[in-house]
Amino acid sequence: QVQLQESGPGLVKPSQTLSLTCSVSVGSINSGGYYWSWIRRHPGKGLEWIGYIHYTGNTYYNPSLKSRVTISADTSSNQFSLKLTSVTAADTAVYHCARLIGYSYGLDYFDYWGQGTLVTVSS
Amino acid sequence: QSALTQPASVSGSPGQSITISCTGTSSDVGAYNYVSWYQHHPGKAPKLMIYEVNIRPSGVSNRFSGSKSGNTASLTISGLQAEDEADYYCSSYTSSTTLVVFGGGTEVTVL
Repeated sequence: QVQLQESGPGLVKPSQTLSLTCSVSVGSINSGGYYWSWIRRHPGKGLEWIGYIHYTGNTYYNPSLKSRVTISADTSSNQFSLKLTSVTAADTAVYHCARLIGYSYGLDYFDYWGQGTLVTVSS
Repeated sequence: QSALTQPASVSGSPGQSITISCTGTSSDVGAYNYVSWYQHHPGKAPKLMIYEVNIRPSGVSNRFSGSKSGNTASLTISGLQAEDEADYYCSSYTSSTTLVVFGGGTEVTVL
């Protein structure tokens, strides 16, 4: 069974960069037609998809965050990472990593998720 | 405000059936069969319950079923059990540049 685990600082100061890593067990992130994604959940609100990195290395970001987001992969460690710059209190959320099943003609479903990590933006 | 609209809460007694709606637009739910549902118990990893509108992954109870009519998708839980108490989120592929949208989540309470 594929398992994903997020790691990173739980507290980030305003204007700084949020950095999280997702470790994937079982199977390589460099194989298969998977889209390795980040999703966040603001307190008391719904989910927001942040973006993905495809096993080919292609990335796509939610336009609402595109100017501040970078998702990258380290295939040697079987991990992928999220960087979000210039954070504000509005970026306080639980951040989940997940594996997205998709095709050239559409994105389908998230079949495995990490349990999430709370990141608080505060001075 | 989430792109897909779900009721904030739904409740039912053990053994009853409940339905959670997920309303989108002709650019997402109404346009594609890439609608999925997730169950989330606090502190745990969200779990895929339904994908492509009405397909249950292996291991998911057949008490969970999905459907779609127009711009609204639905998740029905029959024979409600205490373990079903959780938050449920819907998701859809969209033709907009966002690509993936979610609902605001529905808290299911078993009375």
